[in-house]
Amino acid sequence: EVQLVESGGGLVKPGDSLRLSCAASGFTFSNAWMNWVRQAPGKGLEWVGRIKSKGEGGTTDYAAPVKGRFTISRDDSKNTLYLQMNSLKTEDTALYYCATDGVMYVIRGVVDFWGQGTLVTVSS
Amino acid sequence: DIVMTQSPDSLAVSLGERATLNCKSSQSVLYTSNNKNYLAWYQQRPGQPPKLLIYWASTRESGVPDRFSGSGSGTDFTLTISGLQAEDVAIYYCQQYYSTPSVTFGGGTKVEIK
Repeated sequence: EVQLVESGGGLVKPGDSLRLSCAASGFTFSNAWMNWVRQAPGKGLEWVGRIKSKGEGGTTDYAAPVKGRFTISRDDSKNTLYLQMNSLKTEDTALYYCATDGVMYVIRGVVDFWGQGTLVTVSS
Repeated sequence: DIVMTQSPDSLAVSLGERATLNCKSSQSVLYTSNNKNYLAWYQQRPGQPPKLLIYWASTRESGVPDRFSGSGSGTDFTLTISGLQAEDVAIYYCQQYYSTPSVTFGGGTKVEIK
Protein backbone atom coordinates (compact mmCIF):
# COMPACT_ATOMS: atom_id res chain seq x y z
CA GLU A 1 0.00 0.00 0.00
CA VAL A 2 1.35 3.38 -1.02
CA GLN A 3 1.79 5.74 1.92
CA LEU A 4 2.93 9.35 1.86
CA VAL A 5 3.28 11.14 5.19
CA GLU A 6 4.08 14.84 5.20
CA SER A 7 5.50 16.73 8.16
CA GLY A 8 7.12 20.03 9.00
CA GLY A 9 4.24 22.45 8.58
CA GLY A 10 3.52 25.21 11.04
CA LEU A 11 3.00 28.91 11.67
CA VAL A 12 5.74 31.21 10.38
CA LYS A 13 6.14 34.91 9.66
CA PRO A 14 6.48 36.48 6.22
CA GLY A 15 10.08 36.20 5.07
CA ASP A 16 10.76 33.08 7.13
CA SER A 17 11.88 29.68 5.86
CA LEU A 18 10.43 26.24 6.43
CA ARG A 19 11.29 22.73 5.27
CA LEU A 20 8.63 20.13 4.65
CA SER A 21 9.31 16.41 4.52
CA CYS A 22 7.41 13.52 3.01
CA ALA A 23 8.12 9.94 4.04
CA ALA A 24 7.18 7.48 1.31
CA SER A 25 6.54 3.76 1.45
CA GLY A 26 4.79 1.03 -0.48
CA PHE A 27 6.51 1.66 -3.80
CA THR A 28 10.00 2.01 -5.23
CA PHE A 29 10.64 5.61 -4.24
CA SER A 30 13.96 5.89 -6.06
CA ASN A 31 12.23 5.26 -9.39
CA ALA A 32 9.37 7.66 -8.73
CA TRP A 33 8.85 11.20 -9.94
CA MET A 34 7.31 13.23 -7.14
CA ASN A 35 5.20 16.37 -6.87
CA TRP A 36 4.24 18.95 -4.30
CA VAL A 37 0.71 20.30 -4.71
CA ARG A 38 -0.87 22.89 -2.43
CA GLN A 39 -4.37 23.94 -1.50
CA ALA A 40 -5.09 27.28 0.12
CA PRO A 41 -7.85 27.17 2.76
CA GLY A 42 -11.20 26.73 1.02
CA LYS A 43 -9.59 26.96 -2.41
CA GLY A 44 -8.61 24.65 -5.27
CA LEU A 45 -5.47 22.72 -6.10
CA GLU A 46 -2.24 24.33 -7.29
CA TRP A 47 0.78 22.42 -8.56
CA VAL A 48 3.96 23.63 -6.82
CA GLY A 49 6.73 21.59 -8.37
CA ARG A 50 8.11 18.23 -9.39
CA ILE A 51 11.33 16.26 -9.16
CA LYS A 52 12.30 13.44 -11.47
CA SER A 53 13.98 10.26 -10.32
CA LYS A 54 17.77 10.44 -10.13
CA GLY A 55 17.93 7.77 -12.81
CA GLU A 56 16.15 10.15 -15.18
CA GLY A 57 18.23 13.15 -14.26
CA GLY A 58 16.74 14.21 -10.91
CA THR A 59 15.81 17.58 -12.36
CA THR A 60 13.21 19.87 -10.85
CA ASP A 61 10.48 22.11 -12.23
CA TYR A 62 8.50 24.76 -10.38
CA ALA A 63 5.36 26.81 -10.75
CA ALA A 64 5.97 30.47 -11.46
CA PRO A 65 4.74 31.77 -8.05
CA VAL A 66 7.37 29.74 -6.17
CA LYS A 67 10.27 29.59 -8.62
CA GLY A 68 13.43 30.94 -7.04
CA ARG A 69 12.02 30.64 -3.50
CA PHE A 70 11.18 26.92 -3.18
CA THR A 71 13.48 23.96 -3.72
CA ILE A 72 12.49 20.33 -4.04
CA SER A 73 15.00 17.62 -3.17
CA ARG A 74 14.99 13.93 -2.36
CA ASP A 75 16.94 11.43 -0.31
CA ASP A 76 16.38 8.04 -1.87
CA SER A 77 18.29 6.31 0.95
CA LYS A 78 15.61 7.55 3.34
CA ASN A 79 12.66 7.34 0.92
CA THR A 80 12.01 10.98 1.71
CA LEU A 81 11.00 14.00 -0.36
CA TYR A 82 11.65 17.56 0.79
CA LEU A 83 10.34 21.02 0.05
CA GLN A 84 12.54 23.88 1.20
CA MET A 85 10.51 27.08 1.28
CA ASN A 86 12.32 30.40 1.64
CA SER A 87 11.09 34.01 1.66
CA LEU A 88 7.61 32.85 2.55
CA LYS A 89 4.67 35.10 1.75
CA THR A 90 1.17 35.22 3.19
CA GLU A 91 -0.14 33.84 -0.11
CA ASP A 92 1.89 30.65 0.47
CA THR A 93 -0.53 29.72 3.27
CA ALA A 94 -1.92 26.33 2.27
CA LEU A 95 -2.13 22.63 2.92
CA TYR A 96 0.88 21.12 1.15
CA TYR A 97 0.46 17.67 -0.36
CA CYS A 98 3.21 15.32 -1.34
CA ALA A 99 2.06 13.28 -4.34
CA THR A 100 3.38 10.75 -6.79
CA ASP A 101 3.68 11.45 -10.50
CA GLY A 102 2.54 8.57 -12.67
CA VAL A 103 3.71 5.80 -10.36
CA MET A 104 0.96 3.36 -11.29
CA TYR A 105 0.86 3.67 -15.06
CA VAL A 106 3.87 5.89 -15.79
CA ILE A 107 1.63 8.62 -17.17
CA ARG A 108 3.61 11.78 -16.48
CA GLY A 109 1.51 14.48 -14.93
CA VAL A 110 -1.15 12.20 -13.47
CA VAL A 111 -1.07 12.60 -9.70
CA ASP A 112 -1.96 9.08 -8.64
CA PHE A 113 -1.26 9.00 -4.90
CA TRP A 114 -1.55 11.80 -2.37
CA GLY A 115 -0.52 12.23 1.24
CA GLN A 116 -2.80 13.79 3.86
CA GLY A 117 -0.99 17.11 3.68
CA THR A 118 0.76 19.41 6.13
CA LEU A 119 -0.52 22.90 6.87
CA VAL A 120 1.70 25.92 6.39
CA THR A 121 0.42 29.22 7.74
CA VAL A 122 2.31 32.41 6.94
CA SER A 123 1.12 35.30 9.05
CA SER A 124 2.57 38.22 10.94
CA ASP B 1 -0.52 28.10 -18.80
CA ILE B 2 -3.57 26.11 -19.85
CA VAL B 3 -6.56 27.39 -17.90
CA MET B 4 -9.16 24.85 -16.80
CA THR B 5 -12.68 26.11 -16.17
CA GLN B 6 -15.26 23.95 -14.44
CA SER B 7 -19.02 24.40 -14.30
CA PRO B 8 -21.18 24.60 -12.40
CA ASP B 9 -19.44 25.67 -9.20
CA SER B 10 -21.84 23.45 -7.28
CA LEU B 11 -24.82 21.24 -7.88
CA ALA B 12 -27.32 19.39 -5.74
CA VAL B 13 -28.60 16.06 -7.01
CA SER B 14 -31.07 13.61 -5.50
CA LEU B 15 -29.81 10.20 -4.47
CA GLY B 16 -29.91 7.83 -7.41
CA GLU B 17 -30.05 10.63 -9.97
CA ARG B 18 -27.42 11.68 -12.49
CA ALA B 19 -24.83 14.40 -11.92
CA THR B 20 -23.14 16.04 -14.89
CA LEU B 21 -19.96 18.06 -14.33
CA ASN B 22 -18.25 20.07 -17.04
CA CYS B 23 -14.66 21.06 -17.67
CA LYS B 24 -13.27 23.27 -20.41
CA SER B 25 -9.63 23.88 -21.24
CA SER B 26 -8.28 27.10 -22.75
CA GLN B 27 -6.51 25.09 -25.43
CA SER B 28 -6.82 21.56 -26.75
CA VAL B 29 -5.36 18.83 -24.54
CA LEU B 30 -5.65 16.24 -27.30
CA TYR B 31 -2.25 15.01 -28.40
CA THR B 32 -2.83 14.13 -32.02
CA SER B 33 0.16 11.78 -32.36
CA ASN B 34 -1.45 9.25 -30.01
CA ASN B 35 -5.06 10.51 -30.09
CA LYS B 36 -5.16 10.78 -26.31
CA ASN B 37 -6.71 13.54 -24.25
CA TYR B 38 -4.39 14.51 -21.39
CA LEU B 39 -7.22 15.09 -18.93
CA ALA B 40 -7.80 13.61 -15.46
CA TRP B 41 -10.56 13.86 -12.85
CA TYR B 42 -10.09 13.78 -9.09
CA GLN B 43 -12.53 13.43 -6.20
CA GLN B 44 -11.90 15.22 -2.91
CA ARG B 45 -14.19 14.18 -0.10
CA PRO B 46 -14.51 16.54 2.90
CA GLY B 47 -11.35 16.54 4.98
CA GLN B 48 -9.55 14.15 2.64
CA PRO B 49 -6.82 14.50 0.00
CA PRO B 50 -7.83 14.23 -3.64
CA LYS B 51 -8.19 10.80 -5.18
CA LEU B 52 -7.59 9.97 -8.84
CA LEU B 53 -10.80 8.83 -10.55
CA ILE B 54 -10.19 9.02 -14.29
CA TYR B 55 -7.27 9.60 -16.64
CA TRP B 56 -7.00 9.86 -20.44
CA ALA B 57 -10.38 11.62 -20.10
CA SER B 58 -12.33 8.37 -19.88
CA THR B 59 -10.23 5.59 -18.31
CA ARG B 60 -11.40 4.75 -14.80
CA GLU B 61 -8.74 4.18 -12.17
CA SER B 62 -8.74 0.70 -10.69
CA GLY B 63 -11.43 0.32 -8.03
CA VAL B 64 -13.48 3.33 -9.13
CA PRO B 65 -17.17 2.40 -9.41
CA ASP B 66 -18.54 2.24 -12.93
CA ARG B 67 -21.16 4.87 -12.11
CA PHE B 68 -18.34 7.35 -12.75
CA SER B 69 -17.66 7.98 -16.42
CA GLY B 70 -15.64 10.55 -18.31
CA SER B 71 -16.14 11.79 -21.83
CA GLY B 72 -15.15 14.56 -24.20
CA SER B 73 -12.23 15.53 -26.38
CA GLY B 74 -10.12 18.51 -27.30
CA THR B 75 -11.27 21.30 -25.00
CA ASP B 76 -14.61 20.09 -23.60
CA PHE B 77 -15.00 17.31 -21.09
CA THR B 78 -17.68 15.84 -18.84
CA LEU B 79 -17.68 13.73 -15.71
CA THR B 80 -20.97 11.90 -15.20
CA ILE B 81 -22.02 10.23 -11.98
CA SER B 82 -24.88 7.89 -12.85
CA GLY B 83 -26.92 7.13 -9.80
CA LEU B 84 -25.51 9.42 -7.13
CA GLN B 85 -24.63 7.78 -3.83
CA ALA B 86 -24.21 9.48 -0.46
CA GLU B 87 -20.46 8.76 -0.52
CA ASP B 88 -20.13 10.75 -3.75
CA VAL B 89 -20.56 14.04 -1.89
CA ALA B 90 -17.28 15.75 -2.71
CA ILE B 91 -15.54 18.38 -4.76
CA TYR B 92 -14.48 17.15 -8.19
CA TYR B 93 -11.50 18.63 -10.02
CA CYS B 94 -10.42 18.24 -13.60
CA GLN B 95 -6.72 18.53 -14.44
CA GLN B 96 -4.77 18.77 -17.66
CA TYR B 97 -1.41 17.07 -17.91
CA TYR B 98 -0.83 18.01 -21.56
CA SER B 99 1.64 20.69 -20.52
CA THR B 100 3.36 18.57 -17.87
CA PRO B 101 5.21 19.35 -15.67
CA SER B 102 3.11 22.50 -15.48
CA VAL B 103 -0.18 20.72 -14.81
CA THR B 104 -3.21 22.83 -13.96
CA PHE B 105 -6.46 22.09 -12.18
CA GLY B 106 -9.93 23.47 -12.59
CA GLY B 107 -11.59 25.36 -9.76
CA GLY B 108 -13.71 22.37 -8.79
CA THR B 109 -17.39 21.45 -8.72
CA LYS B 110 -19.00 20.72 -5.38
CA VAL B 111 -21.57 17.92 -5.48
CA GLU B 112 -24.19 17.76 -2.75
CA ILE B 113 -27.33 15.76 -2.05
CA LYS B 114 -30.63 17.48 -2.78
